[in-house]
Amino acid sequence: DTAVSQTPKYLVTQMGNDKSIKCEQNLGHDTMYWYKQDSKKFLKIMFSYNNKELIINETVPNRFSPKSPDKAHLNLHINSLELGDSAVYFCASSQAQGQETQYFGPGTRLLVL
Amino acid sequence: LAKTTQPISMDSYEGQEVNITCSHNNIATNDYITWYQQFPSQGPRFIIQGYKTKVTNEVASLFIPADRKSSTLSLPRVSLSDTAVYYCLVSGGYQKVTFGTGTKLQVIP
Repeated sequence: DTAVSQTPKYLVTQMGNDKSIKCEQNLGHDTMYWYKQDSKKFLKIMFSYNNKELIINETVPNRFSPKSPDKAHLNLHINSLELGDSAVYFCASSQAQGQETQYFGPGTRLLVL
Repeated sequence: LAKTTQPISMDSYEGQEVNITCSHNNIATNDYITWYQQFPSQGPRFIIQGYKTKVTNEVASLFIPADRKSSTLSLPRVSLSDTAVYYCLVSGGYQKVTFGTGTKLQVIP
């Protein structure tokens, strides 16, 4: 059983398009996250949701909009994709916010052409 | 936010003990220190977590001095499969989730 799953695994698209990445966790966790890992391997948090409520919203362009239909899902929608959005996007979950262990998904590799 | 600093890379021979240090000078009272391991094309995976002094599990040990401004991850007798990037994370309450730059460990046969 996959604890944290993401779809799609790979996403290649043109500049200006709108795309979504889906994330689901079956761990019963209350908190979910989106991270961006760039080509230099820096892992930066983008958003954090606790029980469907937005907790952390780092300095991310408005083109990025997370949506949490229930606490087991946290989707990431990206409007008007730019070249600089190319990266690996990781979803993660934890039992609660703070020092709780985070469980990461396999990542979605986004390439914007 | 408690910023963390780690060496960019380290090399080690198989069978040796590896120590990776992370600096977090601005760590807050309620912050914990967590280390993650990341293999290529995979998401990070939890290794160990601590608040102070020493923590040991079946994979690694974590040493935290009294001032908590740094921490050292110790991997005993590394093997080739330990080649990965190791991240130090300092986190506590809300709005405090900061990953370090990561240390790329290369284990040499």
